[in-house]
Amino acid sequence: SQTIHQWPATLVQPVGSPLSLECTVEGTSNPNLYWYRQAAGRGLQLLFYSVGIGQISSEVPQNLSASRPQDRQFILSSKKLLLSDSGFYLCAWKTQNTEAFFGQGTRLTVV
Amino acid sequence: AQSVAQPEDQVNVAEGNPLTVKCTYSVSGNPYLFWYVQYPNRGLQFLLKYITGDNLVKGSYGFEAEFNKSQTSFHLKKPSALVSDSALYFCAVRDQEGGGNKLTFGTGTQLKVEL
Repeated sequence: SQTIHQWPATLVQPVGSPLSLECTVEGTSNPNLYWYRQAAGRGLQLLFYSVGIGQISSEVPQNLSASRPQDRQFILSSKKLLLSDSGFYLCAWKTQNTEAFFGQGTRLTVV
Repeated sequence: AQSVAQPEDQVNVAEGNPLTVKCTYSVSGNPYLFWYVQYPNRGLQFLLKYITGDNLVKGSYGFEAEFNKSQTSFHLKKPSALVSDSALYFCAVRDQEGGGNKLTFGTGTQLKVEL
């Protein structure tokens, strides 16, 4: 069966520090991968998606970047965090004919 | 562009009563619609989806949703609510115009089931 791992679960980082959040998927090949951010416990904003290794599409301009070094690995990064980067970050995977499956999320607090 | 709207920020219902969480959609072409539930500080869990076929879709935990093409709605329902159903519910539609097979989510509806 397919599983998705996302870590860490919580993270407190100072302003200006770097960020690296990792997401890995097991049990499927060539999935589409997604990073969402959820602010204030409500709506989800799609940040990045990837349809294959090295292929990244950005949905909104921001202080973050994403990379997909392997088929089932998706990384969200920042060189210098801003206060406004605080939020709940969710990784998800999907294939053409399935629903999206989400990781458990990372609560990022920038202080 | 595809979109979904969830007109209610919060829905309150007594345990044992039926519940409805509303969702309307706007798409070009045939809609692919989804419902997800989120418990505090957790990821989203899939409940059910409509791709094609019967307008009444049955999903996890006793939930169902009714696809209504004429009203462009996909309301989530449950005949008898439980306190444990209290959570944040999201409706979503698959983006059929852009690349990436993306899902666009509504703003969410907080369901509160009280004794």
